[in-house]
Amino acid sequence: GAGVSQSPSNKVTEKGKDVELRCDPISGHTALYWYRQSLGQGLEFLIYFQGNSAPDKSGLPSDRFSAERTGGSVSTLTIQRTQQEDSAVYLCASSGVGGLENEQFFGPGTRLTVL
Amino acid sequence: EDKVVQSPLSLVVHEGDTVTLNCSYEVTNFRSLLWYKQEKKAPTFLFMLTSSGIEKKSGRLSSILDKKELSSILNITATQTGDSAIYLCAVGKLTQGGSEKLVFGKGTKLTVNP
Repeated sequence: GAGVSQSPSNKVTEKGKDVELRCDPISGHTALYWYRQSLGQGLEFLIYFQGNSAPDKSGLPSDRFSAERTGGSVSTLTIQRTQQEDSAVYLCASSGVGGLENEQFFGPGTRLTVL
Repeated sequence: EDKVVQSPLSLVVHEGDTVTLNCSYEVTNFRSLLWYKQEKKAPTFLFMLTSSGIEKKSGRLSSILDKKELSSILNITATQTGDSAIYLCAVGKLTQGGSEKLVFGKGTKLTVNP
């Protein structure tokens, strides 16, 4: 079946503009995660959605970052007033149910470049 | 602050060599340790370890967790050029809110030359 998909694959934007990144998880997966990978760094957890529960936003680096998950499926990560340090690859992952016992399947990522 | 440290940061070997990658962690509310292989952009899952001292194997790859030493190793025997990738170690933890999340290390970049 189809895996996790993300769009766009690449996004170049100017400093100060807003961007929206999209994630389509595997159909039926209830858990969805967003991560960020900056150059030379490991993956950094951003936010976690599990079913209808309130999301765990503890990893969001600032209030310019927000995320939604509509209808328990598609998720969008929004970055307002982008800064150059926001440049990174943004990865989305989903798993069948929440909990680390369940393998997270990663999407191909969106490479964001802020000029 | 939670920390996952991998070593070495990069490694260059020849085909056929055996390599050992290291991961150490200081993470509160530890639940599990996971290894991923990252080629291009998306990481792919290799192993999940929860119990100390029990080796997990998949072909030429194997991994073991030592909870006393707060560390894990990933071994690759008879390396092939296709093993060239970044190997990520991640520790799963329980957050204060009751959810679970992963804390990743920076990865080890492995290059296998023919």
